[in-house]
Amino acid sequence: EIVLTQSPATLSLSPGERATLSCRASQSVGNYLTWYQQKPGQAPRLLFSDASNRATGIPDRFSGSGSGTDFTLTISNLEPEDFAVYYCHHRTTWPPMFTFGQGTKLEIK
Amino acid sequence: EVQLVESGGDLVQPGGSLRLSCATSEFTFSSYWMSWVRQAPGKGLEWVAMIKTDGSEKYYVDSVKGRFSISRDNAKNSLNLQMNSLRVEDTAVYYCARLTGSTRDFDCWGQGTLVTVSS
Repeated sequence: EIVLTQSPATLSLSPGERATLSCRASQSVGNYLTWYQQKPGQAPRLLFSDASNRATGIPDRFSGSGSGTDFTLTISNLEPEDFAVYYCHHRTTWPPMFTFGQGTKLEIK
Repeated sequence: EVQLVESGGDLVQPGGSLRLSCATSEFTFSSYWMSWVRQAPGKGLEWVAMIKTDGSEKYYVDSVKGRFSISRDNAKNSLNLQMNSLRVEDTAVYYCARLTGSTRDFDCWGQGTLVTVSS
């Protein structure tokens, strides 16, 4: 079973700063790593698939990178609407199972 | 605009049953794998179940196997989750989610429906 560990659990930053969120897999997942954003009271929103493929409508201040076991979500020049919880996610090939990281809460400092 | 609207969430006693539904629109429902994902209050996301386009393949997280059953009605563009033998730990907001073509990601989500299991 693949375990995804996100760090830090909470990240306190100010608007305009740069956020770096990490997701580490317990074994290699290639580039099959997805990122979601979730705001309070809302459903998650797809940000990146395959580690770095930006989903439709996601601003280019968001970037995803990494492969193997280490992945990073970077948000440059934070906007007020970016403060949310971010989850990484992976689907195993067989049997198909989906694993989520525990989330990183990005909060306003 | 793609829409997924869940319904059926309620307060139920441990050991009880509940059926969730997800009505979809503005996309070709029969062409997409679909899934249920849940989120316990104040907790993270947990995948629950997934179903193939034609309903011929179904997959579940271990904790719900034998208790939950996912199904779909392509004629009605709807997804269902039959939940039996409910436990306190099944308490969560249940989201209906559409899988991308790769079936590795969830690209559209409903707003969720709350299931509370309590005596």
